[in-house]
Amino acid sequence: GNSVTQMEGPVTLSEEAFLTINCTYTATGYPSLFWYVQYPGEGLQLLLKATKADDKGSNKGFEATYRKETTSFHLEKGSVQVSDSAVYFCARITQGGSEKLVFGKGTKLTVNP
Amino acid sequence: NAGVTQTPKFRVLKTGQSMTLLCAQDMNHEYMYWYRQDPGMGLRLIHYSVGEGTTAKGEVPDGYNVSRLKKQNFLLGLESAAPSQTSVYFCASTSGGKGHTEAFFGQGTRLTVV
Repeated sequence: GNSVTQMEGPVTLSEEAFLTINCTYTATGYPSLFWYVQYPGEGLQLLLKATKADDKGSNKGFEATYRKETTSFHLEKGSVQVSDSAVYFCARITQGGSEKLVFGKGTKLTVNP
Repeated sequence: NAGVTQTPKFRVLKTGQSMTLLCAQDMNHEYMYWYRQDPGMGLRLIHYSVGEGTTAKGEVPDGYNVSRLKKQNFLLGLESAAPSQTSVYFCASTSGGKGHTEAFFGQGTRLTVV
């Protein structure tokens, strides 16, 4: 199948806390994987991506490693800031035809000062 | 650089009315998509297009139609709006190819059907 499962929120953290948002995918091969972020009142924007197994995507202090053994792409950040408050979506490209993005249900993160 | 622009940004419809949402991109992208976003459901693909003059159904196409007469525009139509179509609609585009291209999103259209 072409699905993505991510941990459901909401997640509330204090500033400088460690963040992990879990994401797993189903696939028969090695699809490209993405994390998108949606700030309040805006559309989604790409946060990071990985295109093959063992790749690590990183941006703005966030990281995610493409792990084929566990079919996972967990998002991590060592020290979150209030400005990281947003909804985070894990996504993958479908396989076997035209290029479609399939999204997880999203995880809302709130970071308190 | 405008990127992806959606119009209108907000709309309230009565049940049974029709409307068209317009998506325009200025990046010469081949692929365009319409998604709806509902609480607890994430983004679900309604229809998409892999090039000018082509359209295809996504995950939740019922009640919607689309057209891609020009490469830069992708229109989403509701012929007879229903309260279940109350949602936030997002348009996106990608350059396509090789399965790892970035999608660019519009700011969204908040539609309420009463």
